[in-house]
Amino acid sequence: KNEVEQSPQNLTAQEGEFITINCSYSVGISALHWLQQHPGGGIVSLFMLSSGKKKHGRLIATINIQEKHSSLHITASHPRDSAVYICAVGSNTGNQFYFGTGTSLTVIP
Amino acid sequence: KAGVTQTPRYLIKTRGQQVTLSCSPISGHRSVSWYQQTPGQGLQFLFEYFSETQRNKGNFPGRFSGRQFSNSRSEMNVSTLELGDSALYLCASRGSGIRTDTQYFGPGTRLTVL
Repeated sequence: KNEVEQSPQNLTAQEGEFITINCSYSVGISALHWLQQHPGGGIVSLFMLSSGKKKHGRLIATINIQEKHSSLHITASHPRDSAVYICAVGSNTGNQFYFGTGTSLTVIP
Repeated sequence: KAGVTQTPRYLIKTRGQQVTLSCSPISGHRSVSWYQQTPGQGLQFLFEYFSETQRNKGNFPGRFSGRQFSNSRSEMNVSTLELGDSALYLCASRGSGIRTDTQYFGPGTRLTVL
């Protein structure tokens, strides 16, 4: 059983579309992270959430602690948003990190 | 500030050999975590070091070990390499080591075991 589940696994969108990626987790967490990984491997931390909602440019991340669920939204998607988006949680017992399997996003011009 | 750096970026080894990977955190950061990424298993947590002490360890065999130096630079060692150890190894640093601190990832070391 995976501690973190993401959906969808793959997503193709037309430029300009609104995109939602979902993440559900089963462990108690200290924080949830959304990561972006471009081809070649480099990972960038997009958001770290422990409650509520955060916005950065066209990206919005929300978390519902009671439902153990988070969403990453991309408004007005652009081809440069094409990447793998990974949800990760830091557990509140010990210092473990658990990762989702990632959502591969392709935005077509 | 310079970002997290990892050396080498690419490495090819054969089964049975051992390998040491290096990670230099962002200046002032005291926590370094190591992760393994494979196509089959995705990203998995290896261990975290804070102020030269291992704080936690993921579910990996004892062939995987690490250490941290007084300047916060960290090394990861894998002994008796297996084909399945082929992966992208990422390290990440954060400032205070508090769990809710943002992690900054390095570019990774891609290890191929033949």
